Amino acid sequence: ETGVTQSPTHLIKTRGQQVTLRCSSQSGHNTVSWYQQALGQGPQFIFQYYREEENGRGNFPPRFSGLQFPNYSSELNVNALELDDSALYLCASSLGLAGGATGELFFGEGSRLTVL
Amino acid sequence: QQQVKQSPQSLIVQKGGISIINCAYENTAFDYFPWYQQFPGKGPALLIAIRPDVSEKKEGRFTISFNKSAKQFSLHIMDSQPGDSATYFCAASRRGAQKLVFGQGTRLTINP
Repeated sequence: ETGVTQSPTHLIKTRGQQVTLRCSSQSGHNTVSWYQQALGQGPQFIFQYYREEENGRGNFPPRFSGLQFPNYSSELNVNALELDDSALYLCASSLGLAGGATGELFFGEGSRLTVL
Repeated sequence: QQQVKQSPQSLIVQKGGISIINCAYENTAFDYFPWYQQFPGKGPALLIAIRPDVSEKKEGRFTISFNKSAKQFSLHIMDSQPGDSATYFCAASRRGAQKLVFGQGTRLTINP
Protein backbone atom coordinates (compact mmCIF):
# COMPACT_ATOMS: atom_id res chain seq x y z
CA GLU A 1 0.00 0.00 0.00
CA THR A 2 1.56 3.30 -1.10
CA GLY A 3 1.09 6.36 1.05
CA VAL A 4 0.38 9.92 -0.04
CA THR A 5 3.20 11.32 -2.15
CA GLN A 6 3.74 14.97 -3.00
CA SER A 7 6.02 16.78 -5.42
CA PRO A 8 8.09 18.82 -5.48
CA THR A 9 9.32 18.71 -1.88
CA HIS A 10 10.81 22.20 -1.99
CA LEU A 11 10.54 25.07 -4.42
CA ILE A 12 11.31 28.76 -4.60
CA LYS A 13 9.28 31.21 -6.63
CA THR A 14 9.14 34.97 -6.96
CA ARG A 15 6.16 37.18 -6.29
CA GLY A 16 3.66 37.18 -9.15
CA GLN A 17 4.66 33.78 -10.50
CA GLN A 18 2.45 30.71 -10.67
CA VAL A 19 3.06 27.32 -9.08
CA THR A 20 1.63 23.81 -9.47
CA LEU A 21 1.94 21.25 -6.70
CA ARG A 22 1.14 17.58 -7.22
CA CYS A 23 -0.26 14.84 -5.02
CA SER A 24 -0.83 11.12 -5.43
CA SER A 25 -3.39 9.80 -3.01
CA GLN A 26 -3.04 6.67 -0.95
CA SER A 27 -4.08 3.52 -2.75
CA GLY A 28 -7.86 3.11 -2.67
CA HIS A 29 -8.58 6.65 -1.47
CA ASN A 30 -10.93 8.69 -3.66
CA THR A 31 -10.89 12.03 -1.82
CA VAL A 32 -8.07 14.54 -1.68
CA SER A 33 -7.85 17.60 0.55
CA TRP A 34 -5.27 20.37 0.49
CA TYR A 35 -4.07 22.28 3.53
CA GLN A 36 -1.73 25.24 3.95
CA GLN A 37 0.56 25.20 6.99
CA ALA A 38 2.35 28.46 7.70
CA LEU A 39 5.48 28.29 9.86
CA GLY A 40 4.55 27.65 13.48
CA GLN A 41 0.84 27.29 12.72
CA GLY A 42 -1.65 24.50 12.34
CA PRO A 43 -2.77 23.38 8.87
CA GLN A 44 -5.58 25.41 7.29
CA PHE A 45 -8.09 23.81 4.91
CA ILE A 46 -7.86 25.06 1.32
CA PHE A 47 -10.27 22.72 -0.50
CA GLN A 48 -11.29 19.14 -1.06
CA TYR A 49 -11.77 17.19 -4.28
CA TYR A 50 -14.05 14.19 -4.76
CA ARG A 51 -14.85 12.56 -8.09
CA GLU A 52 -12.87 15.24 -9.89
CA GLU A 53 -14.97 18.08 -8.50
CA GLU A 54 -14.31 20.61 -5.77
CA ASN A 55 -16.32 19.62 -2.72
CA GLY A 56 -15.82 22.29 -0.10
CA ARG A 57 -13.47 25.26 0.12
CA GLY A 58 -11.86 27.16 2.95
CA ASN A 59 -11.21 30.88 3.20
CA PHE A 60 -8.76 31.12 0.28
CA PRO A 61 -9.01 33.43 -2.76
CA PRO A 62 -9.83 32.14 -6.26
CA ARG A 63 -6.17 32.29 -7.29
CA PHE A 64 -5.91 29.01 -5.36
CA SER A 65 -7.37 26.36 -7.63
CA GLY A 66 -7.14 22.63 -8.02
CA LEU A 67 -7.80 19.57 -10.09
CA GLN A 68 -8.44 15.93 -9.40
CA PHE A 69 -7.76 13.33 -12.06
CA PRO A 70 -9.56 10.02 -12.76
CA ASN A 71 -6.82 8.15 -10.88
CA TYR A 72 -7.61 10.38 -7.83
CA SER A 73 -4.32 12.23 -7.99
CA SER A 74 -4.57 15.98 -7.60
CA GLU A 75 -2.92 19.30 -8.35
CA LEU A 76 -2.94 22.57 -6.44
CA ASN A 77 -2.35 25.68 -8.52
CA VAL A 78 -1.60 29.08 -7.10
CA ASN A 79 -1.52 32.12 -9.39
CA ALA A 80 -0.07 35.57 -8.76
CA LEU A 81 2.03 34.38 -5.84
CA GLU A 82 2.30 36.63 -2.81
CA LEU A 83 4.93 36.63 -0.08
CA ASP A 84 2.32 35.32 2.41
CA ASP A 85 1.85 32.23 0.27
CA SER A 86 5.15 30.94 1.64
CA ALA A 87 4.15 27.81 3.56
CA LEU A 88 4.11 24.04 3.66
CA TYR A 89 1.33 22.74 1.44
CA LEU A 90 -0.07 19.44 2.62
CA CYS A 91 -2.13 16.99 0.66
CA ALA A 92 -4.30 14.51 2.53
CA SER A 93 -6.25 11.60 1.16
CA SER A 94 -9.22 9.79 2.63
CA LEU A 95 -11.93 7.36 1.69
CA GLY A 96 -15.28 8.98 1.15
CA LEU A 97 -16.57 12.50 1.25
CA ALA A 98 -16.25 13.41 4.87
CA GLY A 99 -12.92 11.84 5.65
CA GLY A 100 -12.07 14.51 8.12
CA ALA A 101 -15.33 14.13 9.96
CA THR A 102 -15.74 10.40 10.11
CA GLY A 103 -12.39 8.88 9.41
CA GLU A 104 -8.69 9.36 9.13
CA LEU A 105 -6.90 11.81 6.89
CA PHE A 106 -3.58 10.49 5.60
CA PHE A 107 -1.16 13.35 4.99
CA GLY A 108 1.81 13.52 2.65
CA GLU A 109 5.08 15.10 3.69
CA GLY A 110 4.20 18.34 1.99
CA SER A 111 5.65 20.76 -0.54
CA ARG A 112 7.52 23.66 1.02
CA LEU A 113 6.98 26.80 -1.06
CA THR A 114 9.09 29.90 -0.56
CA VAL A 115 8.00 33.09 -2.31
CA LEU A 116 10.66 35.79 -2.63
CA GLN B 1 -16.90 29.72 16.10
CA GLN B 2 -14.67 27.71 13.87
CA GLN B 3 -11.59 28.13 16.05
CA VAL B 4 -9.83 25.55 18.11
CA LYS B 5 -7.51 27.05 20.72
CA GLN B 6 -4.55 24.98 21.85
CA SER B 7 -2.17 25.44 24.78
CA PRO B 8 0.64 25.54 25.66
CA GLN B 9 2.59 26.56 22.55
CA SER B 10 5.63 24.68 23.81
CA LEU B 11 6.20 22.15 26.55
CA ILE B 12 9.29 20.56 28.05
CA VAL B 13 8.88 17.36 30.07
CA GLN B 14 11.40 15.04 31.64
CA LYS B 15 11.62 11.48 30.44
CA GLY B 16 9.06 9.35 32.25
CA GLY B 17 6.84 12.32 33.07
CA ILE B 18 3.30 13.13 31.96
CA SER B 19 2.79 15.51 29.05
CA ILE B 20 -0.55 17.35 28.96
CA ILE B 21 -1.81 19.45 26.06
CA ASN B 22 -5.15 21.23 26.16
CA CYS B 23 -7.63 22.38 23.53
CA ALA B 24 -10.86 24.35 23.64
CA TYR B 25 -13.50 24.80 20.98
CA GLU B 26 -16.59 26.94 20.50
CA ASN B 27 -18.65 25.22 17.83
CA THR B 28 -21.01 22.79 19.57
CA ALA B 29 -21.64 21.09 16.22
CA PHE B 30 -18.14 19.59 16.31
CA ASP B 31 -18.38 15.86 16.91
CA TYR B 32 -14.97 14.45 16.01
CA PHE B 33 -11.79 15.41 17.85
CA PRO B 34 -8.50 13.94 16.61
CA TRP B 35 -4.96 14.57 17.70
CA TYR B 36 -2.17 14.60 15.13
CA GLN B 37 1.57 14.18 15.67
CA GLN B 38 4.03 15.87 13.33
CA PHE B 39 7.78 15.28 13.21
CA PRO B 40 10.08 17.80 11.48
CA GLY B 41 9.95 17.40 7.71
CA LYS B 42 6.94 15.08 7.85
CA GLY B 43 3.22 15.48 7.44
CA PRO B 44 0.86 15.17 10.41
CA ALA B 45 -0.13 11.63 11.37
CA LEU B 46 -3.25 10.65 13.29
CA LEU B 47 -2.41 9.69 16.86
CA ILE B 48 -5.78 9.17 18.55
CA ALA B 49 -9.31 10.50 18.15
CA ILE B 50 -12.48 10.76 20.22
CA ARG B 51 -16.16 11.41 19.70
CA PRO B 52 -18.26 13.28 22.28
CA ASP B 53 -20.24 10.24 23.38
CA VAL B 54 -17.34 9.16 25.62
CA SER B 55 -15.34 11.17 28.15
CA GLU B 56 -12.05 9.35 27.76
CA LYS B 57 -10.20 7.21 25.24
CA LYS B 58 -6.93 5.46 25.87
CA GLU B 59 -4.51 3.92 23.40
CA GLY B 60 -1.29 2.73 24.95
CA ARG B 61 0.45 5.68 26.62
CA PHE B 62 -1.88 8.20 24.94
CA THR B 63 -5.20 9.28 26.47
CA ILE B 64 -7.76 11.83 25.34
CA SER B 65 -9.95 13.36 28.03
CA PHE B 66 -13.09 15.07 26.78
CA ASN B 67 -15.32 17.53 28.68
CA LYS B 68 -18.37 18.28 26.57
CA SER B 69 -19.92 20.84 28.94
CA ALA B 70 -16.68 22.84 29.11
CA LYS B 71 -16.01 22.34 25.38
CA GLN B 72 -12.50 21.21 26.16
CA PHE B 73 -10.39 18.18 25.40
CA SER B 74 -6.86 17.25 26.27
CA LEU B 75 -4.11 14.83 25.34
CA HIS B 76 -2.17 13.06 28.07
CA ILE B 77 1.06 11.24 27.26
CA MET B 78 2.08 8.95 30.08
CA ASP B 79 5.69 7.85 30.65
CA SER B 80 6.85 10.40 28.05
CA GLN B 81 9.84 9.29 25.96
CA PRO B 82 12.39 11.27 23.91
CA GLY B 83 10.85 9.73 20.78
CA ASP B 84 7.61 11.55 21.64
CA SER B 85 9.34 14.88 20.94
CA ALA B 86 7.28 16.36 18.11
CA THR B 87 4.61 18.96 17.41
CA TYR B 88 1.10 17.93 18.41
CA PHE B 89 -2.06 19.36 16.89
CA CYS B 90 -5.58 19.01 18.15
CA ALA B 91 -8.34 19.31 15.60
CA ALA B 92 -12.11 19.22 15.33
CA SER B 93 -14.70 18.54 12.70
CA ARG B 94 -18.44 18.12 12.40
CA ARG B 95 -20.46 15.47 10.66
CA GLY B 96 -20.82 16.21 6.97
CA ALA B 97 -18.03 18.76 6.91
CA GLN B 98 -15.15 18.44 4.52
CA LYS B 99 -12.49 19.92 6.72
CA LEU B 100 -10.61 19.57 9.95
CA VAL B 101 -10.08 22.74 11.99
CA PHE B 102 -6.66 22.56 13.61
CA GLY B 103 -5.25 24.17 16.72
CA GLN B 104 -1.99 26.11 16.48
CA GLY B 105 0.14 23.24 17.73
CA THR B 106 2.28 22.41 20.73
CA ARG B 107 5.98 21.73 20.37
CA LEU B 108 6.76 18.99 22.88
CA THR B 109 10.33 18.27 23.97
CA ILE B 110 11.09 15.28 26.18
CA ASN B 111 14.44 15.63 27.92
CA PRO B 112 16.35 12.38 28.48
